[in-house]
Amino acid sequence: KQEVTQIPAALSVPEGENLVLNCSFTDSAIYNLQWFRQDPGKGLTSLLLIQSSQREQTSGRLNASLDKSSGRSTLYIAASQPGDSATYLCAVYFMGGSNYQLIWGAGTKLIIKP
Amino acid sequence: NAGVTQTPKFQVLKTGQSMTLQCAQDMNHEYMSWYRQDPGMGLRLIHYSVGAGITDQGEVPNGYNVSRSTTEDFPLRLLSAAPSQTSVYFCASSYYDGGGETQYFGPGTRLLVL
Repeated sequence: KQEVTQIPAALSVPEGENLVLNCSFTDSAIYNLQWFRQDPGKGLTSLLLIQSSQREQTSGRLNASLDKSSGRSTLYIAASQPGDSATYLCAVYFMGGSNYQLIWGAGTKLIIKP
Repeated sequence: NAGVTQTPKFQVLKTGQSMTLQCAQDMNHEYMSWYRQDPGMGLRLIHYSVGAGITDQGEVPNGYNVSRSTTEDFPLRLLSAAPSQTSVYFCASSYYDGGGETQYFGPGTRLLVL
């Protein structure tokens, strides 16, 4: 059974710091991995999608890496800003049974202190 | 494009009442899904649809019904509300481009069952 874990559950850092959020998964036979951002009281916004054949994806100050063999992904945020405060979720897309499924981590709540 | 819209934003029900959560998308996506999000847990898939007239169960379907009469609409019905269904419900639509799904989420419906 695929399980997705995000540690820590919450993280608070001063503005300007570079930081890394972690995501681990138990079954390496994934199709892709996605990182999402969730703001309080709002839906989820897709940030980055990494295909299983890729090692990393970049968008602005965000860089996501994928190591399938170790079952890990990281989301690197450079020069953090208060506007980056949100909950970040990762989800893996994999074949579970007869259908592809999207399995979610519980998220890391990030607070950037001005 | 309005994207994915959900109504209502908030709802309070008494145990045993029924209601329908509405979801609509204007992106002509074939794939739509309903998730629930509970504290400390990842999103869990309730039901999904791969096109008009086709629905299937997700991870936690009990107590919920769906229908997909049009590409645009995917309502979720609670048949007899229970306190365990207190949660935040998200509707998503997605497209598949060979590299996996790209999902778009609605703003969510916060449901309290007393």
